[in-house]
Amino acid sequence: AQTVTQSQPEMSVQEAETVTLSCTYDTSENNYYLFWYKQPPSRQMILVIRQEAYKQQNATENRFSVNFQKAAKSFSLKISDSQLGDTAMYFCAFMRILDSSYKLIFGSGTRLLVRP
Amino acid sequence: GAGVSQSPSNKVTEKGKDVELRCDPISGHTALYWYRQRLGQGLEFLIYFQGNSAPDKSGLPSDRFSAERTGESVSTLTIQRTQQEDSAVYLCASSSLAGGNTDTQYFGPGTRLTVL
Repeated sequence: AQTVTQSQPEMSVQEAETVTLSCTYDTSENNYYLFWYKQPPSRQMILVIRQEAYKQQNATENRFSVNFQKAAKSFSLKISDSQLGDTAMYFCAFMRILDSSYKLIFGSGTRLLVRP
Repeated sequence: GAGVSQSPSNKVTEKGKDVELRCDPISGHTALYWYRQRLGQGLEFLIYFQGNSAPDKSGLPSDRFSAERTGESVSTLTIQRTQQEDSAVYLCASSSLAGGNTDTQYFGPGTRLTVL
């Protein structure tokens, strides 16, 4: 079974600085998708970034980028120029392409606090 | 267009009572998911609907949990004879599964269920 591990329960960063959140996963499959979701106190899960495993190029969305290391099964999220609004829980998630339901398997989350 | 909506936002019930949670997916999205999020944890998959196909119920924790969806519209998650361990946030997500990036799941704000 696939598992997703986020080893940092909490992280803190100064506003305007850069922070990296870690995520590792376990799978025997070659094709899959990976996601980072943000969950602010409002509870709304917001998609931050996604990566297709067959793509070698790391995904980037404005201040958010990933470091996808397929052989190491690592998928870290880098947030540049951190803003107060980035304060939230961040969840890493895995999706099997072969799974007909496309369900997401989530890590336990990292709570990020951006300090002014 | 409108996002995924869920009602009620919060629900407090007594142990042993039945509850119904509602999800309105994004219009045109054929796939609908229910997840459970216990306090301080990641999301756990419960059930998946796709069009008129048989639902994937593999994540339902017990036979007290059931869900229905009519066509590609509203879904209800029912928990019978609620227990205190059912206390959690129940999140609904939808996606179009039309290929490309459209299999990304978009989440509602969730229903916080408290069983006293």
